[in-house]
Formats: sequence, structure tokens, C-alpha cells
Amino acid sequence: DTGVSQNPRHKITKRGQNVTFRCDPISEHNRLYWYRQTLGQGPEFLTYFQNEAQLEKSRLLSDRFSAERPKGSFSTLEIQRTEQGDSAMYLCASSLAPRTTQETQYFGPGTRLLVL
Amino acid sequence: EDQVTQSPEALRLQEGESSSLNCSYTVSGLRGLFWYRQDPGKGPEFLFTLYSAGEEKEKERLKATLTKKESFLHITAPKPEDSATYLCAVQAAGSGNTGKLIFGQGTTLQVKP
Repeated sequence: DTGVSQNPRHKITKRGQNVTFRCDPISEHNRLYWYRQTLGQGPEFLTYFQNEAQLEKSRLLSDRFSAERPKGSFSTLEIQRTEQGDSAMYLCASSLAPRTTQETQYFGPGTRLLVL
Repeated sequence: EDQVTQSPEALRLQEGESSSLNCSYTVSGLRGLFWYRQDPGKGPEFLFTLYSAGEEKEKERLKATLTKKESFLHITAPKPEDSATYLCAVQAAGSGNTGKLIFGQGTTLQVKP
């Protein structure tokens, strides 16, 4: 039973460059979430997918951010023209869309981004 | 606005010294309250889900309880390996069908031998 995986684990980039992160969810999970976490804070919701459909985006997700989940499997999060304020841990979580109201999200190890 | 507040921000305990962490929440209908453990540089690890007031769950030295306004994570006779940041999060019924989590800022626990 493999958990959620994320790659790369660490990324250092220069301001203005584009970066892309990948998340592979737990295989039978149909929901996939992206969160961002800065030092000393809890994770903040960015966006989520049910299968391949992106159903909600936070106002935190500026137009420099784009996420995809082709074929409802892995997902990518791209940040264009990175800024120093984008430096954070980017977390991916997956879950099984609930038949009832119960839903538990399982998180990956995260990708730590540093923008110089 | 849905909100989660955790206290204290940091807690230092001696090994064996029991204590409690608090999570206060205001949401437009609670679908679920979650506790996660996070070690430095890693993703959150799921601990418990609570769905209704009065519910309690236990795992080893940890016990989570829920009321209509807050949740407590009780740590009994902690060990140094319990040192971590503990995150509380809620799923709000007002969020429609999305299961997005709203997190508190976390409580960083240090247990000294």
C-alpha cells in the first residue's frame, strides 16, 4: 500500500523562473487537493480535483498558478514567473469521495520551494 | 467566516507529564474535525477524525474529544518521540461538496526526557 508521493522534494529556483511539481495520489482515491504551508502556519487550501475535473480554486491561487490532473490520476502544479513570496511547502493530499459525509485526506511529504 | 484557532502555540513537557492541546473552531456547520501530526520537513500524518459532539477517539497515548465549539487532544504520559507539531483542521458543511480542510496554526510540542 503506497501513500501519496510528491516530486521533487526540494526545489530552488530564481525569481522569474517557472516551476512544476508532481503529485501521485493513493491509487484508488478520486479526490486530490493542493495546499500551501508557510513556516509556522497551518496548510492553506489552494485547489482540488474530483477525478480530472478541477472543482474549486482558492483566491490564493493567482493566475500565475495552474493545476492539472489529466485522466484523473497524477496531478501537476505549475507556478509561472515565480516570486519570493511563493517560497513555501506545497502539499498534496488525496481522498476517496465520500459515500456519506465522511472523508479523510492523506498527505504526501510535500515539495519545499525556495525562490531566490 | 470559518476559522480554527489552536492553543498554546508551543508546549514543553517533561517525559511523563500529561497535558492537553486545544482547538477552537467556528464553522457554518461541522462535517468533520481532524487531528494531524507533522514532523519537521514532512507532510501531515493523519491521527483522528471526529464528527459529532461527545465523540472520543484514542490511539496509544493520544485521546481526542469534541464539543460543539472545541476539540481537545489529550496526551497521557508523553514520550520524547511524541514531539511534533499537532494540527487541527475542520471540514465545513457550508463549503458545499468540497472536502477542503481549514487548518489552525498548529501546536508545537516538545517532550524532554
